[in-house]
Amino acid sequence: DGGITQSPKYLFRKEGQNVTLSCEQNLNHDAMYWYRQDPGQGLRLIYYSQIVNDFQKGDIAEGYSVSREKKESFPLTVTSAQKNPTAFYLCASSISSGGFSYEQYFGPGTRLTVT
Amino acid sequence: AQSVTQLDSHVSVSEGTPVLLRCNYSSSYSPSLFWYVQHPNKGLQLLLKYTSAATLVKGINGFEAEFKKSETSFHLTKPSAHMSDAAEYFCVVSGGPTGNQFYFGTGTSLTVIP
Repeated sequence: DGGITQSPKYLFRKEGQNVTLSCEQNLNHDAMYWYRQDPGQGLRLIYYSQIVNDFQKGDIAEGYSVSREKKESFPLTVTSAQKNPTAFYLCASSISSGGFSYEQYFGPGTRLTVT
Repeated sequence: AQSVTQLDSHVSVSEGTPVLLRCNYSSSYSPSLFWYVQHPNKGLQLLLKYTSAATLVKGINGFEAEFKKSETSFHLTKPSAHMSDAAEYFCVVSGGPTGNQFYFGTGTSLTVIP
């Protein structure tokens, strides 16, 4: 079965701790994305990567970090610098654009709660 | 710059009646447009997409949308609502110099009344 997996589904952390969210895809997609979703808002882009070993900041990158060492993996670290980390986090992937727009495929999401 | 406005934050319909979810977009480039659906605590699923082919786009589960350039609209419709259609719907525009960056609307919550 091809798709995107995110783990864990629910994550609880104490304030001041870094936490890493996993995202793996077996769709052979070059591009991967991390979004944050808050109630009543659309998705906001945190980071994206169009190729291995390269990534760019999205609209709300402060307090987050990523790596892209393998094509199939794009983990997101929520650092203690992120002021309001409690949210639903979604990972997505797509064929690399080359100037065109392809649909993005989404994982099931991780709900992070920080207290 | 690209942006999307979903004109209704919440829509309620009776089961078996038509659904209309409205979306207007702004784009400096020839846009690609998408509709996604999200059920509670789930990821997003693609309903349909427009990428400069036919202006009337058919998607899954009986949904369709019409691209109207003159009105900068991409409204989502379905002739007859089903209880399973109750969900959050997102209109998305993409394009621009990086090609594949998505810009999401704030979503429309659809309630289906039995």
